[in-house]
Amino acid sequence: GENVEQHPSTLSVQEGDSAVIKCTYSDSASNYFPWYKQELGKGPQLIIDIRSNVGEKKDQRIAVTLNKTAKHFSLHITETQPEDSAVYFCAASKPGNQFYFGTGTSLTVIP
Amino acid sequence: GAVVSQHPSWVICKSGTSVKIECRSLDFQATTMFWYRQFPKQSLMLMATSNEGSKATYEQGVEKDKFLINHASLTLSTLTVTSAHPEDSSFYICSPSVKGNYGYTFGSGTRLTVV
Repeated sequence: GENVEQHPSTLSVQEGDSAVIKCTYSDSASNYFPWYKQELGKGPQLIIDIRSNVGEKKDQRIAVTLNKTAKHFSLHITETQPEDSAVYFCAASKPGNQFYFGTGTSLTVIP
Repeated sequence: GAVVSQHPSWVICKSGTSVKIECRSLDFQATTMFWYRQFPKQSLMLMATSNEGSKATYEQGVEKDKFLINHASLTLSTLTVTSAHPEDSSFYICSPSVKGNYGYTFGSGTRLTVV
């Protein structure tokens, strides 16, 4: 099965700085890589995703990059704001299959 | 699109009782339902996968007689925790999916506390 590793487990940044979270995966057949933001007591919310035929995707302050050869992908948040504070999970999947989640990164944005 | 409704959002029950959690896909037909469990400060772990009209497939270590899953329709799936014990206290999250597509939408989760 797939194995997804995520780093770092905790991350603190000053408001306005950038935050980067990295994930690696093991199954070369995985072709869909979403990122989720989870606030306390709530279900995960999709914030951005990327498919294996694309190397980079950006949505305002959030971007994701994918390196298929190295089997790793990263989440980049620029100009961080206190409301960005949450736990972020990466995941890897194939169509119709379950998601394999990373272990999560607790991001704290310090005002 | 892809609106998911999960109820209840939280429940407290006594040991030995059963609790039912409902997950509805409001604007699409979910041929597949994934049920996840999340312990505090941990990641989501898949418990079982169910296809509409079929028996659920459980992950290793998940007791099928304890966690009963019903996926009788394309818009509703239920997870029943039977004879609940304190160690079953957790956050349960559903994720409906259309066959062949990615199950990228999650329910809001149910916080179960067994006392």
